Amino acid sequence: QSALTQPASVSGSPGQSITISCTGTSSDVGSYNYVSWFQQHPDKAPKLMIYEVSNRPSGVSNRFSGSKSGNTASLTISGLQAEDEADYYCTSYKSSSTPFVFGTGTKVTVL
Amino acid sequence: EVQLVESGGGLVQPGGSLRLSCAASGFTFSDHYMDWVRQAPGKGLEWVGRIRNRADSYTTDYAASVKGRFTVSRDDSKNSLYLQMNSLRTEDTAVYYCVRDSGTYYLDYWGQGTLVTVSS
Repeated sequence: QSALTQPASVSGSPGQSITISCTGTSSDVGSYNYVSWFQQHPDKAPKLMIYEVSNRPSGVSNRFSGSKSGNTASLTISGLQAEDEADYYCTSYKSSSTPFVFGTGTKVTVL
Repeated sequence: EVQLVESGGGLVQPGGSLRLSCAASGFTFSDHYMDWVRQAPGKGLEWVGRIRNRADSYTTDYAASVKGRFTVSRDDSKNSLYLQMNSLRTEDTAVYYCVRDSGTYYLDYWGQGTLVTVSS
């Protein structure tokens, strides 16, 4: 169960935009429009931020957006705020017997 | 409001067993697939296993790392999900999360997690 590849860390100043990449293979990210993104603050449970590549659940700020090209998905946070400082994980559907593969995680730091 | 509350974590010796429980409320539990996801200390998320709903015969799937040792089960009459963990190894040390499956290929609601520590 190989993990999807994310950068270990991304940083930005308040108000800036940052983008986190999530690279998989033609067997997961490249095959399905079922990429999700989770935000996790320290010692807290993950929170769904984006599903099905670019959809936001109710209550999630429109500063969060998602996209996909080929085997790579991306999460963009615009108008970066201090509260966005957290770990972010992508996940993709892979198969019926191994439904979810997670990314390696990215620590976002607000400078 | 969807709520998932895990319990049953603790310290166990290598080779031992432990059963985790997850109490669900705020949604029609019996309609949903349910999953377990774990996170080792300071590490990333790892999908552990899933159980489908009654319509799909309560079938289960597991990550290769736990297959044959862990069993996911559910009791729809009690709105509860379980994870039976046998032959535990030190590398199974993690926070275990109970997670609702949306039904359309993504996980949506997570419990707060329960810590399992495997150590002698």
